[in-house]
Parts: sequence; structure tokens; C-alpha cells
Amino acid sequence: SAVISQKPSRDICQRGTSLTIQCQVDSQVTMMFWYRQQPGQSLTLIATANQGSEATYESGFVIDKFPISRPNLTFSTLTVSNMSPEDSSIYLCSGARGGGVALVADTQYFGPGTRLTVL
Amino acid sequence: AQKVTQAQTEISVVEKEDVTLDCVYETRDTTYYLFWYKQPPSGELVFLIRRNSFDEQNEISGRYSWNFQKSTSSFNFTITASQVVDSAVYFCALSGRDSNYQLIWGAGTKLIIKP
Repeated sequence: SAVISQKPSRDICQRGTSLTIQCQVDSQVTMMFWYRQQPGQSLTLIATANQGSEATYESGFVIDKFPISRPNLTFSTLTVSNMSPEDSSIYLCSGARGGGVALVADTQYFGPGTRLTVL
Repeated sequence: AQKVTQAQTEISVVEKEDVTLDCVYETRDTTYYLFWYKQPPSGELVFLIRRNSFDEQNEISGRYSWNFQKSTSSFNFTITASQVVDSAVYFCALSGRDSNYQLIWGAGTKLIIKP
């Protein structure tokens, strides 16, 4: 398994500002993902964070709103830009050792999440 | 397309009762993976089990057991002698080539264990 940490654990932000969330894993993982979980809902994948290249975004999510970096195998950041109250959610990062040529899905392990409230 | 259905939105039982959480999935893949995760009120997602489509043996881990039936496309989760600490939202998820191995999530079942 992998131990994943996130910070901040929670934040209250003003409309129009930006927040950067950090995700650190304790071992080298191949795949890192960012999810959003709106109140009372299931998880929605925002993007796959790719090491050293641009993230792969899912439909409905764009780089200008959710820029993602992954400078190495164990660290990634997600920025929520120009926030509005609709961005109030839990943001979760996950890591897995699967992927690559074999495309065999390994188990995703999740960080504790960041609870974001936008006023 | 792949899909996961957790028809039970919320279940409430009294402590020590047994409870089963249902999960029904749809996929065209012949090789796929099924998962259960627990999300307590603290918000973190805790991995419980991963099962591949070729392994239909039921799994037991302490008070937890999983019943995988390909014939009915179901992967149900039973908690025996439930405890208050089992109160959480439980998510079933599916991964396969059809989704490029991304997790397809069910809506989740909120389990409330009353003392």
C-alpha cells in the first residue's frame, strides 16, 4: 500500500481567490489522480497527474481552472483557481503503482482529502 | 459503457445486526476489477478490497465478507455483527479496459449503525 498525505486538510476561502493543494506519497507510484467530491456525492475524476508533462483532464475540467503539477513521482499539486461557492467540495488525491504498457490497474490509495469552503 | 449501481442510498441498523450492501455493475470487459472503499465521517477513503473478474471466490476478513457473482454482475458486501464504528459511506467501484482502467464509482451507501 501507499501512504498519502495532503495539505491543507481544510480551508475557507473567499470568492475569486486561488488555493493550491499539495499531495505527497511515501513511495514511488506510477499514477496519481485528483478527484472532487461535492457534498453528499460520489467521486468525480478531475485529472490524471503526469510526471513532467501536462495533466490529462476529464470532460468538464480545464487546465485554466484546475492547473496541476507533478514534478516528480511522489509529489503533485492541484490549484483551484478563481474560486466560486460552487467549488466547495472535498478534493482528494490518490496514487497507484499500476499503469504503463500493461495497463493493469493497481489499487488506488487515497489521501485524507482537503475540505474546501468558498464564501 | 461501464456502470456501477448502489441502489441503497442509506441503511440504518441497530448495533450487532448483520447488514449487506449491494453493488451491481455493468461492463463489456472480460477482465475487470472490483473494489470497495469506506469513507468515515472524517472524509478519508479507506481501501477495503480489490477483486479481479477471474476470481469468484468469496472473501472473508474478520466481520467483513464479500460475495462476488458474475452470473448476476454483483459484488455485495456484508458486515456481520455491525458496530458503531462501521458507520460510514461505502463505495463500490469498477475498473477495466473499457474505462482505460479509471475507477467507475457507484453513488455510495450511507450506513448508520445505531447503538
